[in-house]
Amino acid sequence: NAGVTQTPKFQVLKTGQSMTLQCAQDMNHNSMYWYRQDPGMGLRLIYYSASEGTTDKGEVPNGYNVSRLNKREFSLRLESAAPSQTSVYFCAATGTVLSYEQYFGPGTRLTVT
Amino acid sequence: RKEVEQDPGPFNVPEGATVAFNCTYSNSASQSFFWYRQDCRKEPKLLMSVYSSGNEDGRFTAQLNRASQYISLLIRDSKLSDSATYLCVVILGNAGNMLTFGGGTRLMVKP
Repeated sequence: NAGVTQTPKFQVLKTGQSMTLQCAQDMNHNSMYWYRQDPGMGLRLIYYSASEGTTDKGEVPNGYNVSRLNKREFSLRLESAAPSQTSVYFCAATGTVLSYEQYFGPGTRLTVT
Repeated sequence: RKEVEQDPGPFNVPEGATVAFNCTYSNSASQSFFWYRQDCRKEPKLLMSVYSSGNEDGRFTAQLNRASQYISLLIRDSKLSDSATYLCVVILGNAGNMLTFGGGTRLMVKP
């Protein structure tokens, strides 16, 4: 039981390149989330998916797109990377509306040069 | 003003000390409160929920003050393994399970 997994763990992109961050969970949870974490800023919600087939914007969605491929997988895409997107990206999952414990993946450290 | 504010620290304390962190939140409609722990270069993990009546889990005590809109975390008898960043987390009443995170308070426990 791996919980929440993310790939890749590290990535360096040049400005303008695109990439997709992958996230998968094996806990059968309904809701999944993408956050970014910058020094002193806390975690900020980029997008979330309350259930399979739905996605919604969070606090900082600009420059990102998401796909909830199925119940297990929730991917985050950067179409044209910018240096301001240098950050640590965390995927999280939670089971029910009454459960506030979010289980996080190990994170992806992205640098855009 | 940030919705959830914390002193970033670091708080440097000796083993065995008692240390307390506060966190303030700006939205009076906030309903649920939590402390998460994040080790260096790792993902956040739930430490404890914060209830109106206050709650204790071993050496950790969490308190909520709705009138002043702050929550606190008290750690007694600090251990080296308590060294981490502690994240204050708030959920608005109508936000389902959408969490708003503070920037975190870094604790370093020294021998």
